[in-house]
Amino acid sequence: EAGVTQFPSHSVIEKGQTVTLRCDPISGHDNLYWYRRVMGKEIKFLLHFVKESKQDESGMPNNRFLAERTGGTYSTLKVQPAELEDSGVYFCASSPLLGAGPEQFFGPGTRLTVL
Amino acid sequence: AQSVTQLGSHVSVSEGALVLLRCNYSSSVPPYLFWYVQYPNQGLQLLLKYTTGATLVKGINGFEAEFKKSETSFHLTKPSAHMSDAAEYFCAVTSHMGAGNMLTFGGGTRLMVKP
Repeated sequence: EAGVTQFPSHSVIEKGQTVTLRCDPISGHDNLYWYRRVMGKEIKFLLHFVKESKQDESGMPNNRFLAERTGGTYSTLKVQPAELEDSGVYFCASSPLLGAGPEQFFGPGTRLTVL
Repeated sequence: AQSVTQLGSHVSVSEGALVLLRCNYSSSVPPYLFWYVQYPNQGLQLLLKYTTGATLVKGINGFEAEFKKSETSFHLTKPSAHMSDAAEYFCAVTSHMGAGNMLTFGGGTRLMVKP
């Protein structure tokens, strides 16, 4: 069974540009999460989808970040316009909705560098 | 509100020595606790978890952790370090029942193993 995949693995952009990160969860996982780790800090929750609906977006830093999950499968996280402080590693995780424990399955992350 | 504190951002041990990575948590309700590991250029991998029941939990690669409610701790141990254990380790907590729960992470501890 394929794990959580994320694309791209690395992205280097200039301040003011737009970047879109993609996450493909494990097939059948209705829960999808985005987290971010800014250099030197802890991994922080950004938002949570249940299927295509945003369940909790309390961790989204500001309105420059837009997450979507059309059709309840893959998700995208767009940063527009990117700022220097957006640099970090963005992790996606997924888990089943029913009949499963609380653990989440993480992807390898996308390392975003804003210059 | 939940929080996790990992004491020591860097820990260095000799090969064959005991590994002890410390984690203390704060939670107003009974917690679910996790240790994740991130090897270089890989995603977060679940090492072990505590949900209910036995307070000493065993994970992969010879690691184990003990949930101590009175001390609000969930320290990770391994009797004998191996070079392949060099990685970054994250303690995480959630207090929501079932799936559909955000994780709160500690700052991570980078384990270095000397030959």
